[in-house]
Amino acid sequence: DAGVTQSPTHLIKTRGQQVTLRCSPKSGHDTVSWYQQALGQGPQFIFQYYEEEERQRGNFPDRFSGHQFPNYSSELNVNALLLGDSALYLCASSQRLPLSLIFGSGTQLSVL
Amino acid sequence: AQSVTQPDIHITVSEGASLELRCNYSYGATPYLFWYVQSPGQGLQLLLKYFSGDTLVQGIKGFEAEFKRSQSSFNLRKPSVHWSDAAEYFCAVGENYGGSQGNLIFGKGTKLSVKP
Repeated sequence: DAGVTQSPTHLIKTRGQQVTLRCSPKSGHDTVSWYQQALGQGPQFIFQYYEEEERQRGNFPDRFSGHQFPNYSSELNVNALLLGDSALYLCASSQRLPLSLIFGSGTQLSVL
Repeated sequence: AQSVTQPDIHITVSEGASLELRCNYSYGATPYLFWYVQSPGQGLQLLLKYFSGDTLVQGIKGFEAEFKRSQSSFNLRKPSVHWSDAAEYFCAVGENYGGSQGNLIFGKGTKLSVKP
């Protein structure tokens, strides 16, 4: 079982650019959540997708958007990048029931 | 608002010694509680979880945690630490969102170093 896979593993962008991160959930999982982990901090919830809709959203601006596809994979898009967007972006998948998140290894985004 | 506090930023223990990592939470209802471990540059691996029932929870790699409602705590323990346990440990509380899992709220983490 491949678990949760994320791509790319590393990414370097400049301020103002746009970025797309991708996530494939663990087999059998239908819910995808995205988290941002700044250096030295715990992960912070961005949003969660289920049945191709955003179900919950954390305290992140509209520059952060996402999508879930019929095969349950997901994308995270960030527009108008800021230096403060530099972080490890983690994708996690789960089933609606039972209740546990399985995390991918993350995408390290650096904004210069 | 829900929150998780991990009072210890960095802990160093000797290999073979026992370990306890502290976690306190603030949550109105019965929480879902988790411990995750993260090696440098990696994602998070689930060590154990508490949803209900027995308050002493066994996890992987020889870890256990005890839920104490009266103290709003969910401390992680291991009787004998191995050098490979050196990593960052995160406690998290999960929201019960309409009967399914909402987002996780994480503490800031405790970095564990192991002395030979």
